[in-house]
Amino acid sequence: DTEVTQTPKHLVMGMTNKKSLKCEQHMGHRAMYWYKQKAKKPPELMFVYSYEKLSINESVPSRFSPECPNSSLLNLHLHALQPEDSALYLCASSLGSLGSGYTFGSGTRLTVV
Amino acid sequence: ELKVEQNPLFLSMQEGKNYTIYCNYSTTSDRLYWYRQDPGKSLESLFVLLSNGAVKQEGRLMASLDTKARLSTLHITAAVHDLSATYFCAVDKETSGSRLTFGEGTQLTVNP
Repeated sequence: DTEVTQTPKHLVMGMTNKKSLKCEQHMGHRAMYWYKQKAKKPPELMFVYSYEKLSINESVPSRFSPECPNSSLLNLHLHALQPEDSALYLCASSLGSLGSGYTFGSGTRLTVV
Repeated sequence: ELKVEQNPLFLSMQEGKNYTIYCNYSTTSDRLYWYRQDPGKSLESLFVLLSNGAVKQEGRLMASLDTKARLSTLHITAAVHDLSATYFCAVDKETSGSRLTFGEGTQLTVNP
């Protein structure tokens, strides 16, 4: 298995809703990432988990809450989002070693109404 | 802070022509990546360049890296319409937690 699987592919949620994005990989990668991408912009790093521990939080608002239950799974819990949080959310994973590269999932298109 | 600059940001070219996209980065980096993104889709890895002088080719695309100049190029040969997409370069550093820093992207349109 050489893929990063993200679910759901599309999500529409109200500003008072609670939802979660899920990311899964079975490549033995030890680092997992959440990126946010607005239209016509590059991806922006949100969180990095290394060996299941949060190693980087790019000053993301607390309405985004990451969770790494095990080495294969990464969740992003969403609560009280704003319309400006609408974006493509990308999950990625890597071995973490030099030259190992990153594998990106297909993304979740989130719309906050 | 690591910064990555791409140019041009927009590129409209005719089929059959050649062109080069440039990627400059501000500090020494461990790795340089090129990605392709189609509208509404995820990132497709094209090349990973690890060392000075590295050159990689896949079809009509060729990427090179000059670490002394902190410059990577993505050369397009005899463009075809299927190459229309946005191309990102990205760099990372082991010491900053293996985080990718992306350039702004080059939106390429290949016209018949």
